[in-house]
Amino acid sequence: DTEVTQTPKHLVMGMTNKKSLKCEQHMGHRAMYWYKQKAKKPPELMFVYSYEKLSINESVPSRFSPECPNSSLLNLHLHALQPEDSALYLCASSQGQGSYEQYFGPGTRLTVT
Amino acid sequence: QKEVEQNSGPLSVPEGAIASLNCTYSDRGSQSFFWYRQYSGKSPELIMFIYSNGDKEDGRFTAQLNKASQYVSLLIRDSQPSDSATYLCAAPPFNFGNEKLTFGTGTRLTIIP
Repeated sequence: DTEVTQTPKHLVMGMTNKKSLKCEQHMGHRAMYWYKQKAKKPPELMFVYSYEKLSINESVPSRFSPECPNSSLLNLHLHALQPEDSALYLCASSQGQGSYEQYFGPGTRLTVT
Repeated sequence: QKEVEQNSGPLSVPEGAIASLNCTYSDRGSQSFFWYRQYSGKSPELIMFIYSNGDKEDGRFTAQLNKASQYVSLLIRDSQPSDSATYLCAAPPFNFGNEKLTFGTGTRLTIIP
């Protein structure tokens, strides 16, 4: 089973709203990722959690705040976003420790109005 | 210089023919390579990974890695209309460990019935 789930599938939010994206995997993977993807572009890495600790932050603006409550869950808290933040937000996971294949969830389509 | 490069296409292949997708990379230290398939509006799906020089076959898909020439390719035999998608090549930069993937820009493949 290589399933990563994400909720919600679609999200529309105003620039003053606070919302959260959620990601879950039950594959025992120890690394989890947030990516942002704009149309006709490759996924762009935002954050990596390894063993529940933030290991990579790709200089993402502070209006995006990641959280890893446990090894199966990953959240992305959103606050004061801009219209240019509208994109497909993808969560992925991998085993870590010598196994680097990343499996993506279905994504959350975010629109900021 | 981009670390992973792909021809963006579009690449059009008749149904039943072999589709050949290519990717070059600049980091000689890269040890593992991944091919993702992404349908329009969907998330990337891992279809092949290769760590060693030579060929790796899985059904109609064959990944080929040539470390001396720094290229990796994906062959799709007996192409089907359902293979029409964008194919993303990815590799972890050697000095970033293996948690971070660098994606190519993707090749859009169209199989013509």
